[in-house]
Amino acid sequence: DAGITQSPRHKVTETGTPVTLRCHQTENHRYMYWYRQDPGHGLRLIHYSYGVKDTDKGEVSDGYSVSRSKTEDFLLTLESATSSQTSVYFCAIKDSVNNSPLHFGNGTRLTVT
Amino acid sequence: EDQVTQSPEALRLQEGESSSLNCSYTVSGLRGLFWYRQDPGKGPEFLFTLYSAGEEKEKERLKATLTKKESFLHITAPKPEDSATYLCAIGDSNYQLIWGAGTKLIIKP
Repeated sequence: DAGITQSPRHKVTETGTPVTLRCHQTENHRYMYWYRQDPGHGLRLIHYSYGVKDTDKGEVSDGYSVSRSKTEDFLLTLESATSSQTSVYFCAIKDSVNNSPLHFGNGTRLTVT
Repeated sequence: EDQVTQSPEALRLQEGESSSLNCSYTVSGLRGLFWYRQDPGKGPEFLFTLYSAGEEKEKERLKATLTKKESFLHITAPKPEDSATYLCAIGDSNYQLIWGAGTKLIIKP
Protein backbone atom coordinates (compact mmCIF):
# COMPACT_ATOMS: atom_id res chain seq x y z
CA ASP A 1 0.00 0.00 0.00
CA ALA A 2 1.12 3.52 -0.75
CA GLY A 3 1.95 5.29 2.50
CA ILE A 4 -1.12 7.50 2.80
CA THR A 5 -2.94 8.06 6.07
CA GLN A 6 -6.15 10.02 6.37
CA SER A 7 -7.51 11.23 9.68
CA PRO A 8 -10.01 11.04 11.13
CA ARG A 9 -11.61 8.03 9.41
CA HIS A 10 -15.07 9.04 10.56
CA LYS A 11 -16.47 12.34 11.78
CA VAL A 12 -19.90 13.67 12.63
CA THR A 13 -20.26 17.41 12.95
CA GLU A 14 -22.97 20.02 13.09
CA THR A 15 -23.92 22.50 10.41
CA GLY A 16 -21.91 25.69 10.66
CA THR A 17 -18.88 24.26 12.47
CA PRO A 18 -15.38 24.25 10.95
CA VAL A 19 -13.85 20.88 10.11
CA THR A 20 -10.30 19.95 9.10
CA LEU A 21 -9.35 16.68 7.48
CA ARG A 22 -5.74 15.58 7.31
CA CYS A 23 -3.79 13.62 4.74
CA HIS A 24 -0.27 12.42 5.51
CA GLN A 25 2.04 10.68 3.03
CA THR A 26 5.37 8.94 3.46
CA GLU A 27 6.18 8.65 -0.28
CA ASN A 28 7.61 12.16 -0.77
CA HIS A 29 5.35 12.63 -3.82
CA ARG A 30 4.99 16.09 -5.26
CA TYR A 31 1.26 16.02 -6.05
CA MET A 32 -1.56 15.64 -3.54
CA TYR A 33 -5.29 15.75 -4.17
CA TRP A 34 -8.57 15.94 -2.29
CA TYR A 35 -11.63 14.28 -3.84
CA ARG A 36 -15.15 13.71 -2.66
CA GLN A 37 -17.18 10.62 -3.54
CA ASP A 38 -20.96 10.62 -3.57
CA PRO A 39 -23.41 7.95 -4.76
CA GLY A 40 -24.14 8.20 -8.47
CA HIS A 41 -21.21 10.51 -9.10
CA GLY A 42 -17.67 9.90 -10.13
CA LEU A 43 -14.91 11.12 -7.88
CA ARG A 44 -14.89 14.92 -7.97
CA LEU A 45 -11.77 16.98 -7.44
CA ILE A 46 -11.94 19.59 -4.69
CA HIS A 47 -8.39 20.98 -4.56
CA TYR A 48 -4.94 19.78 -5.42
CA SER A 49 -1.36 20.70 -4.63
CA TYR A 50 1.71 20.58 -6.84
CA GLY A 51 4.20 21.47 -4.13
CA VAL A 52 4.60 23.06 -0.72
CA LYS A 53 2.34 26.11 -0.55
CA ASP A 54 1.31 25.56 -4.20
CA THR A 55 -2.37 24.69 -4.51
CA ASP A 56 -5.15 25.07 -7.04
CA LYS A 57 -8.91 24.64 -7.23
CA GLY A 58 -10.76 21.66 -8.64
CA GLU A 59 -14.28 21.45 -10.01
CA VAL A 60 -16.09 21.53 -6.61
CA SER A 61 -13.93 23.88 -4.52
CA ASP A 62 -16.63 26.20 -3.14
CA GLY A 63 -16.82 25.97 0.66
CA TYR A 64 -13.42 24.28 0.96
CA SER A 65 -9.88 25.50 1.53
CA VAL A 66 -6.57 23.65 1.66
CA SER A 67 -3.09 24.12 2.98
CA ARG A 68 0.21 22.38 2.41
CA SER A 69 3.00 23.61 4.64
CA LYS A 70 5.07 20.41 4.36
CA THR A 71 5.53 17.92 1.53
CA GLU A 72 3.97 15.15 3.58
CA ASP A 73 0.81 16.89 4.82
CA PHE A 74 -2.22 18.23 2.96
CA LEU A 75 -5.10 19.64 4.97
CA LEU A 76 -8.68 20.13 3.79
CA THR A 77 -10.81 22.61 5.74
CA LEU A 78 -14.53 23.13 5.59
CA GLU A 79 -14.87 26.64 6.94
CA SER A 80 -18.54 26.26 7.87
CA ALA A 81 -19.85 22.78 7.22
CA THR A 82 -23.17 22.30 5.41
CA SER A 83 -25.29 19.18 4.95
CA SER A 84 -24.35 19.12 1.24
CA GLN A 85 -20.77 18.44 2.32
CA THR A 86 -21.75 15.12 3.84
CA SER A 87 -19.61 12.77 1.79
CA VAL A 88 -16.63 10.46 1.74
CA TYR A 89 -13.41 12.38 1.23
CA PHE A 90 -10.35 10.78 -0.35
CA CYS A 91 -6.81 12.00 -0.47
CA ALA A 92 -4.58 10.88 -3.32
CA ILE A 93 -0.91 11.28 -4.18
CA LYS A 94 1.04 11.14 -7.42
CA ASP A 95 4.65 11.40 -8.42
CA SER A 96 5.96 13.93 -10.96
CA VAL A 97 5.63 11.77 -14.09
CA ASN A 98 2.72 13.13 -16.15
CA ASN A 99 0.77 9.93 -16.73
CA SER A 100 1.57 8.17 -13.49
CA PRO A 101 -1.49 6.92 -11.59
CA LEU A 102 -2.96 8.35 -8.42
CA HIS A 103 -2.72 6.35 -5.21
CA PHE A 104 -5.47 6.82 -2.67
CA GLY A 105 -5.91 6.78 1.06
CA ASN A 106 -8.81 4.93 2.66
CA GLY A 107 -11.00 7.96 3.05
CA THR A 108 -12.78 9.99 5.71
CA ARG A 109 -16.53 9.58 6.07
CA LEU A 110 -17.93 12.97 7.09
CA THR A 111 -21.52 13.46 8.21
CA VAL A 112 -22.86 16.99 8.71
CA THR A 113 -26.07 17.05 10.75
CA GLU B 1 -17.10 18.47 -22.91
CA ASP B 2 -14.86 15.70 -21.63
CA GLN B 3 -16.85 12.95 -19.96
CA VAL B 4 -16.81 9.31 -18.92
CA THR B 5 -19.75 6.92 -18.77
CA GLN B 6 -19.55 3.46 -17.25
CA SER B 7 -22.02 0.65 -17.85
CA PRO B 8 -23.72 -1.24 -16.44
CA GLU B 9 -24.16 0.43 -13.05
CA ALA B 10 -24.26 -3.00 -11.42
CA LEU B 11 -23.53 -6.51 -12.64
CA ARG B 12 -24.29 -9.78 -10.88
CA LEU B 13 -22.51 -12.90 -12.10
CA GLN B 14 -22.14 -16.46 -10.98
CA GLU B 15 -18.65 -17.61 -10.10
CA GLY B 16 -16.92 -18.62 -13.32
CA GLU B 17 -19.27 -16.61 -15.57
CA SER B 18 -17.12 -14.32 -17.72
CA SER B 19 -18.29 -10.83 -18.72
CA SER B 20 -17.16 -7.30 -19.57
CA LEU B 21 -17.52 -3.85 -18.09
CA ASN B 22 -17.68 -0.83 -20.37
CA CYS B 23 -16.16 2.64 -20.07
CA SER B 24 -17.05 5.03 -22.88
CA TYR B 25 -15.44 8.43 -23.07
CA THR B 26 -15.18 11.68 -24.96
CA VAL B 27 -12.07 13.79 -24.54
CA SER B 28 -10.23 16.32 -26.64
CA GLY B 29 -6.79 14.97 -25.86
CA LEU B 30 -6.52 11.63 -24.07
CA ARG B 31 -3.67 11.41 -21.59
CA GLY B 32 -4.31 7.85 -20.53
CA LEU B 33 -7.28 5.78 -19.45
CA PHE B 34 -7.11 4.37 -15.93
CA TRP B 35 -8.90 1.46 -14.29
CA TYR B 36 -9.25 1.17 -10.52
CA ARG B 37 -10.85 -1.30 -8.16
CA GLN B 38 -12.59 -0.09 -4.99
CA ASP B 39 -13.60 -2.32 -2.09
CA PRO B 40 -16.21 -1.13 0.45
CA GLY B 41 -14.74 1.28 2.98
CA LYS B 42 -11.46 1.56 1.07
CA GLY B 43 -9.88 3.93 -1.38
CA PRO B 44 -9.59 3.10 -5.09
CA GLU B 45 -6.72 0.77 -5.94
CA PHE B 46 -4.91 1.24 -9.24
CA LEU B 47 -5.17 -1.59 -11.79
CA PHE B 48 -4.14 -0.43 -15.28
CA THR B 49 -3.25 2.50 -17.49
CA LEU B 50 -3.91 2.36 -21.24
CA TYR B 51 -2.55 5.02 -23.55
CA SER B 52 -3.50 4.26 -27.14
CA ALA B 53 -6.16 2.44 -29.16
CA GLY B 54 -5.39 -1.24 -29.54
CA GLU B 55 -3.46 -1.47 -26.29
CA GLU B 56 -4.27 -4.31 -23.89
CA LYS B 57 -3.14 -5.10 -20.35
CA GLU B 58 -3.76 -8.12 -18.16
CA LYS B 59 -3.64 -8.93 -14.49
CA GLU B 60 -4.81 -12.31 -13.24
CA ARG B 61 -8.45 -12.68 -14.39
CA LEU B 62 -8.70 -9.09 -15.65
CA LYS B 63 -7.89 -7.77 -19.11
CA ALA B 64 -8.35 -4.15 -20.14
CA THR B 65 -8.63 -3.04 -23.76
CA LEU B 66 -8.88 0.39 -25.38
CA THR B 67 -10.42 1.81 -28.55
CA LYS B 68 -10.77 5.45 -29.61
CA LYS B 69 -14.18 5.68 -27.91
CA GLU B 70 -14.27 3.13 -25.12
CA SER B 71 -12.45 0.71 -22.91
CA PHE B 72 -13.52 -2.71 -21.75
CA LEU B 73 -12.55 -4.53 -18.60
CA HIS B 74 -12.94 -8.22 -19.34
CA ILE B 75 -13.30 -10.55 -16.38
CA THR B 76 -12.58 -14.20 -17.10
CA ALA B 77 -13.91 -16.95 -14.80
CA PRO B 78 -14.42 -14.53 -11.90
CA LYS B 79 -14.24 -15.52 -8.25
CA PRO B 80 -16.16 -14.02 -5.31
CA GLU B 81 -13.06 -12.05 -4.31
CA ASP B 82 -13.35 -10.13 -7.60
CA SER B 83 -16.48 -8.49 -6.22
CA ALA B 84 -15.86 -4.74 -5.98
CA THR B 85 -16.70 -1.48 -7.67
CA TYR B 86 -14.59 -0.86 -10.76
CA LEU B 87 -13.83 2.75 -11.64
CA CYS B 88 -12.66 4.17 -14.92
CA ALA B 89 -11.01 7.57 -15.39
CA ILE B 90 -9.52 9.47 -18.32
CA GLY B 91 -6.64 11.91 -18.23
CA ASP B 92 -7.50 15.11 -20.05
CA SER B 93 -5.22 17.51 -21.90
CA ASN B 94 -4.20 19.07 -18.56
CA TYR B 95 -3.45 15.65 -17.08
CA GLN B 96 -6.40 15.97 -14.72
CA LEU B 97 -8.59 12.91 -14.24
CA ILE B 98 -12.27 12.73 -15.13
CA TRP B 99 -14.01 9.83 -13.42
CA GLY B 100 -16.92 7.59 -14.27
CA ALA B 101 -19.47 6.66 -11.58
CA GLY B 102 -18.31 3.06 -11.49
CA THR B 103 -19.70 -0.44 -12.02
CA LYS B 104 -20.52 -2.51 -8.95
CA LEU B 105 -19.60 -6.12 -9.67
CA ILE B 106 -21.02 -8.92 -7.52
CA ILE B 107 -19.77 -12.48 -8.01
CA LYS B 108 -21.96 -15.10 -6.35
CA PRO B 109 -20.41 -18.44 -5.34
